[in-house]
Amino acid sequence: GENVEQHPSTLSVQEGDSAVIKCTYSDSASNYFPWYKQELGKGPQLIIDIRSNVGEKKDQRIAVTLNKTAKHFSLHITETQPEDSAVYFCADYRGYSSASKIIFGSGTRLSIRP
Amino acid sequence: GAVVSQHPSRVICKSGTSVKIECRSLDFQATTMFWYRQFPKQSLMLMATSNEGSKATYEQGVEKDKFLINHASLTLSTLTVTSAHPEDSSFYICSARSPEKLFFGSGTQLSVL
Repeated sequence: GENVEQHPSTLSVQEGDSAVIKCTYSDSASNYFPWYKQELGKGPQLIIDIRSNVGEKKDQRIAVTLNKTAKHFSLHITETQPEDSAVYFCADYRGYSSASKIIFGSGTRLSIRP
Repeated sequence: GAVVSQHPSRVICKSGTSVKIECRSLDFQATTMFWYRQFPKQSLMLMATSNEGSKATYEQGVEKDKFLINHASLTLSTLTVTSAHPEDSSFYICSARSPEKLFFGSGTQLSVL
């Protein structure tokens, strides 16, 4: 079925520490996994993505790992800063046709404590 | 990344009026755009898929006569909320594919009085 489970729903970390958000998908046909950051009153912003033929991808302080066998992928933010506070959504995208849909997780509200 | 422009960012209207929201892909052509609705502290709910030159595909439970979608060009899709009522008040967000990555507009906060 169409389902992406995201955990935790809220996360509070000390500034400078790392934050990890995990998502689990159910469809083995899923082949593209983006992560979005949404600040209050704004649209989601693509921050990193990974394709199913790659196990890990890193972009400065942000990294995403993918375990196809277990059907889960995680967002890792290191050396967290106050501006990292936002809601983060994982997503699961199947295929490239015009009928392809993107399914979002329920979101994680990340708070960075000074 | 690619830029998707959405206007207006905020609109307040009286019950019974119609509101049009525009979504433009500024630096790429988008044959497919999506419209989402988001309630406070919740995830994005897909309302419909907008395909250039053809009818939109609506998700189950979304009234097509209520939420009119037009995708007349490769860079513009519009969502019209017809005869708006207070329960239509929400944050509406559009997105566009380029070509398989999905980029979002900044959202429109609709408040119906």
